[in-house]
Amino acid sequence: ELKVEQNPLFLSMQEGKNYTIYCNYSTTSDRLYWYRQDPGKSLESLFVLLSNGAVKQEGRLMASLDTKARLSTLHITAAVHDLSATYFCAVDSSSNTGKLIFGQGTTLQVKP
Amino acid sequence: DTGVSQDPRHKITKRGQNVTFRCDPISEHNRLYWYRQTLGQGPEFLTYFQNEAQLEKSRLLSDRFSAERPKGSFSTLEIQRTEQGDSAMYLCASSMDIPQPQHFGDGTRLSIL
Repeated sequence: ELKVEQNPLFLSMQEGKNYTIYCNYSTTSDRLYWYRQDPGKSLESLFVLLSNGAVKQEGRLMASLDTKARLSTLHITAAVHDLSATYFCAVDSSSNTGKLIFGQGTTLQVKP
Repeated sequence: DTGVSQDPRHKITKRGQNVTFRCDPISEHNRLYWYRQTLGQGPEFLTYFQNEAQLEKSRLLSDRFSAERPKGSFSTLEIQRTEQGDSAMYLCASSMDIPQPQHFGDGTRLSIL
């Protein structure tokens, strides 16, 4: 059974600092998704990573995928308060259903 | 693109009652998913429809749960004889074909008294 683990689960950081969230998964997959969730809100798609070595960047966020290590990272550069949210990685290991297995989420708190 | 719409946003009911939630996906999306999310956890997959066909159900979906998607448009999720453990946020998502990302609705929060 596919398991997805994120760490850390909670991250408090100062504005302007850099940090990385890690997402490990237990079985082979080449489809990995990152989502953001604000309190009381739904999930917003951030990145879709589809192959080994894939790298995607949007603003201060950059995501990468290493399928051999079964690891994805979400790197935050020069954090700002607006990035405070919970970030989820999700893995699709299905053949054709698109069923996603989510990590526990990383709650990011950026302090001024 | 009006997004995925879910109704109601919040449902409070007594244990043992039946509840039904509705999801209206993005109109051109043929895939529809239901997930359940409890506090501090990631969403857990419940079931998947492609058009009107329900193609996968999680073991989490006991016989008290049923989902439909008549005519491949909106979907309903019904929970019969609700239990305390059913309290959660129920999320609906829709997508085009894989590997397009799933778009999530705002969810229905179920509270069992």
